[in-house]
Amino acid sequence: KNEVEQSPQNLTAQEGEFITINCSYSVGISALHWLQQHPGGGIVSLFMLSSGKKKHGRLIATINIQEKHSSLHITASHPRDSAVYICAVGGGADGLTFGKGTHLIIQP
Amino acid sequence: DAGITQSPRHKVTETGTPVTLRCHQTENHRYMYWYRQDPGHGLRLIHYSYGVKDTDKGEVSDGYSVSRSKTEDFLLTLESATSSQTSVYFCAISESSRNTEAFFGQGTRLTVV
Repeated sequence: KNEVEQSPQNLTAQEGEFITINCSYSVGISALHWLQQHPGGGIVSLFMLSSGKKKHGRLIATINIQEKHSSLHITASHPRDSAVYICAVGGGADGLTFGKGTHLIIQP
Repeated sequence: DAGITQSPRHKVTETGTPVTLRCHQTENHRYMYWYRQDPGHGLRLIHYSYGVKDTDKGEVSDGYSVSRSKTEDFLLTLESATSSQTSVYFCAISESSRNTEAFFGQGTRLTVV
């Protein structure tokens, strides 16, 4: 069973700061997902990646398959980025294995 | 946004009563999943389906059953609800089992009193 660890668990930063959230996993995978969940809200897929780097607006996700590690970066952070960010790895037909999430608060 | 709808969105029920949660999709995706989300545990897989009438157990399946009689609907049933099943339940869909994006419903908050 894949173990997925995220760090930090909680992060408070000031508006405009560069944010990094880390994810490591124990077993080789075919794809890694970054998800976002706002308080009381649903879960939205931000990225799915199997190699290299992807960028969407102010969000950047990278993955190092050899190191079994991924990072999610937020540039020029804004209070609306406050949410829980969840890393998940896909092991096949039996669904995703999730990290416990990183609670991010961006203060104005 | 992917067409995936969960109902009900909120429910309070008494211990020992049966409860059914519904997940409906309009994307014609083959794979459907039920997860529960609890503080300190993150999301965990309850059951999944890889086609009509094809289902299998996940990590935390005890006390739950599922059915999928149509591609678009995946039902989760708690035969006799217990307080330990108080949780937020999420349905998810994906087109195939590997390297495809997963789409999630808005969640169902279930409270068993």
